[in-house]
Amino acid sequence: QSALTQPPSASGSPGQSVTISCTGTSSDVGGYNYVSWYQQYPGKAPKLMIFEVNKRPSGVPDRFSGSKSGNTASLTVSGLQAEDEADYYCTSYAGSNNLVFGGGTKLTVL
Amino acid sequence: EVQLVQSGAEVKKPGESLRISCKGSGYSFSSYWISWVRQMPGKGLEWMGRIDPSDSYTSYSPSFQGHVTVSADKSLSTTYLQWSSLKASDTAMYYCARQRRIAAVLSGMDIWGQGTTVTVSS
Repeated sequence: QSALTQPPSASGSPGQSVTISCTGTSSDVGGYNYVSWYQQYPGKAPKLMIFEVNKRPSGVPDRFSGSKSGNTASLTVSGLQAEDEADYYCTSYAGSNNLVFGGGTKLTVL
Repeated sequence: EVQLVQSGAEVKKPGESLRISCKGSGYSFSSYWISWVRQMPGKGLEWMGRIDPSDSYTSYSPSFQGHVTVSADKSLSTTYLQWSSLKASDTAMYYCARQRRIAAVLSGMDIWGQGTTVTVSS
């Protein structure tokens, strides 16, 4: 199984919106509504931001939203804040008890 | 507080064996699967596999099948990740994470351990 494809980097100014894509295949992203997104600061453990495409865990700001169309899932961060600068990873269920990660996207707040 | 606490950093030589641990607290440990995730230096996250602590049933990513073993002791609320013969390429940070699921379908990982650094060098 191959890793999901994410852009290496994304950026936006404070207050703007930015969208990060996560492209897979019909065997993972396109085949299941089990896409999750994680935020990771340098030297820290990842944090779950979105699960099952568009659900937010308790405590995650509603500035973070998820969606999916076909084989591509997206994470949108609205009203960018300096604290949003981090690495973001997507995962998808890939069948047969497997999960696959994306390569990660470094989000820079300009 | 719901948390996963991992064992401390390890420095090993190639060919040595190793077992690292992940202890859960604050929730019904046997009710949630645990996944293990690797992050090599400067690289992204990779899902290695998962275990159901209630019956120790495991499932591995094809990339890690046969290279590592995941086990659990539900009486200790602890899961383990072990290697029988380490290689330099096993040098990485390893995270355990509580795995949400719908039946047997893996969803998000909502609680993460702090990570265990493994360094393999001669």
